[in-house]
Amino acid sequence: KQEVTQIPAALSVPEGENLVLNCSFTDSAIYNLQWFRQDPGKGLTSLLLIQSSQREQTSGRLNASLDKSSGRSTLYIAASQPGDSATYLCAVYNTDKLIFGTGTRLQVFP
Amino acid sequence: EAGVAQSPRYKIIEKRQSVAFWCNPISGHATLYWYQQILGQGPKLLIQFQNNGVVDDSQLPKDRFSAERLKGVDSTLKIQPAKLEDSAVYLCASSLRLPSAGRLAKNIQYFGAGTRLSVL
Repeated sequence: KQEVTQIPAALSVPEGENLVLNCSFTDSAIYNLQWFRQDPGKGLTSLLLIQSSQREQTSGRLNASLDKSSGRSTLYIAASQPGDSATYLCAVYNTDKLIFGTGTRLQVFP
Repeated sequence: EAGVAQSPRYKIIEKRQSVAFWCNPISGHATLYWYQQILGQGPKLLIQFQNNGVVDDSQLPKDRFSAERLKGVDSTLKIQPAKLEDSAVYLCASSLRLPSAGRLAKNIQYFGAGTRLSVL
């Protein structure tokens, strides 16, 4: 059974810091991995999707990497801003089933 | 292109009452999902439809939860009777179920804004 773990559970940093959020999964036979952002009381916003054949994806200040063999993905946020404060969820695709981690709650203070 | 629409956004009910949520997926998306997200946890799949047929409802508490997608488009999720532990955000998602679905198919899911349910 696929299990997805995210570390740390919560993170509080001053503005301007570079951040690394970690995601690990137990079954390496995944098809895709996706990072989402969730603001309090809101739905999910897709940030980056990495296909199983890819090693990384970039969008603006965000960079996500994938190492299937070790069962890990990292989300790198450069030059963090208060507007980045949210919960970040990692999810893996097993065929068409999406298995989520419990998220990392990020707070960036001015 | 319009996204996944859900209503209502918020609902407060007392335990043992019933409640229904509505979802309109992205036009042309054959697959529709309902997830339950309890505070502090990741979303958990409740039920998955392919057109108007159920593909997976193994995690749906069938004694109190029901869902339907009669015409293969809109879907409703109902809880009757509600319990305190049903307090959560209910998320709807949809995806293109490509005809050649397989290991390389993307099947990317797009999410609605969710319905926040509080059971008192």
